[in-house]
Amino acid sequence: GAVVSQHPSRVICKSGTSVKIECRSLDFQATTMFWYRQFPKQSLMLMATSNEGSKATYEQGVEKDKFLINHASLTLSTLTVTSAHPEDSSFYICSAAGTSTDTQYFGPGTRLTVL
Amino acid sequence: GNSVTQMEGPVTLSEEAFLTINCTYTATGYPSLFWYVQYPGEGLQLLLKATKADDKGSNKGFEATYRKETTSFHLEKGSVQVSDSAVYFCALRAIQGAQKLVFGQGTRLTINP
Repeated sequence: GAVVSQHPSRVICKSGTSVKIECRSLDFQATTMFWYRQFPKQSLMLMATSNEGSKATYEQGVEKDKFLINHASLTLSTLTVTSAHPEDSSFYICSAAGTSTDTQYFGPGTRLTVL
Repeated sequence: GNSVTQMEGPVTLSEEAFLTINCTYTATGYPSLFWYVQYPGEGLQLLLKATKADDKGSNKGFEATYRKETTSFHLEKGSVQVSDSAVYFCALRAIQGAQKLVFGQGTRLTINP
């Protein structure tokens, strides 16, 4: 199946700094990428959907200015957590879908810890 | 709104035991239903899916049947293996609107030899 990578896999940062997480589709062109957040022992919550070359569509309750999403190419999307705070600590997962809308391919996730 | 409720974990079984992980959903219309599996250190992978009522999805010995009357999509396997240890997520995708998936909370399964 298709492969999606995320980088970094783990990151620890100080409160107030910004952190960028990359999501790459390695062997296919991803017209749509999704960003999820997962709290311990809880479900994946969709944060936003991004289409290449367009602005991301954010879910209700997700701060656009705090979670900046860029989908500049068909193989790369980035999530930047700006001015991170301890409550932003979480597991962030991306997924990518090609021209067929049927299947999303998931990255392995990035664990963010904000001190 | 759309939602998915999964059986609480963790679930611990012995090898060759029968497995059921319950999943029920709430949705408008007729969603597509999915089971994803996440092995340790890896991303979620699609395990099986069903797109309409009475469809049965199957893969790697796992099965789930789309039951519209009970709004359920329970995951079953007749004889589990140690290698089936993972976290299992039930999910739905509404027919209308975007491709976004709504996930259950996940069920951690551990199979002991």
